[in-house]
Amino acid sequence: DGGITQSPKYLFRKEGQNVTLSCEQNLNHDAMYWYRQDPGQGLRLIYYSQIVNDFQKGDIAEGYSVSREKKESFPLTVTSAQKNPTAFYLCASSIPTLNSPLHFGNGTRLTVT
Amino acid sequence: LAKTTQPISMDSYEGQEVNITCSHNNIATNDYITWYQQFPSQGPRFIIQGYKTKVTNEVASLFIPADRKSSTLSLPRVSLSDTAVYYCLVGALNSGYSTLTFGKGTMLLVS
Repeated sequence: DGGITQSPKYLFRKEGQNVTLSCEQNLNHDAMYWYRQDPGQGLRLIYYSQIVNDFQKGDIAEGYSVSREKKESFPLTVTSAQKNPTAFYLCASSIPTLNSPLHFGNGTRLTVT
Repeated sequence: LAKTTQPISMDSYEGQEVNITCSHNNIATNDYITWYQQFPSQGPRFIIQGYKTKVTNEVASLFIPADRKSSTLSLPRVSLSDTAVYYCLVGALNSGYSTLTFGKGTMLLVS
């Protein structure tokens, strides 16, 4: 089955540590995205990538970094500079055609204490 | 990007038809209207998308009036498993990527 795999589902870290969230897709999609969701809130775009070796900042990129070395992988690093990192993180992908829908993974819930 | 307004929550009973309306007064000519469904601790799932008039698939119908300033997602004969958050998004892909904004959505509770 094609889809997006995010791992791990739950992640716990101490404050001050960087942490990397994994996102892998086998849908052969060119575009990939990272969103953050806080309780009772909508999704906010962190970073997106249209193509390998290229990515752009979204609305809330501060304190986050990404890489896109392979088409199928788009890892997100939450750095110690992110002031409030505890959240639900969602990865998505899409094909580069007009209004192609987003395909989401099942998320990683990060808790930083 | 066009801003959307939808009810924060709705209640329904099993077997009823549910209509969720979304207002998007500033929709642009190139914008499409897309609805997603999200269950707790899961990623959103695409439900339906339309540009004008009516679109129907196996899950839902989307009604869009001629002025396109609003849209209504219709879920026929809901069941308990339709309890979820429903997001209305308005926008268009630009050059092959999407920067659509997800608002708070509508929390539908079916009992």
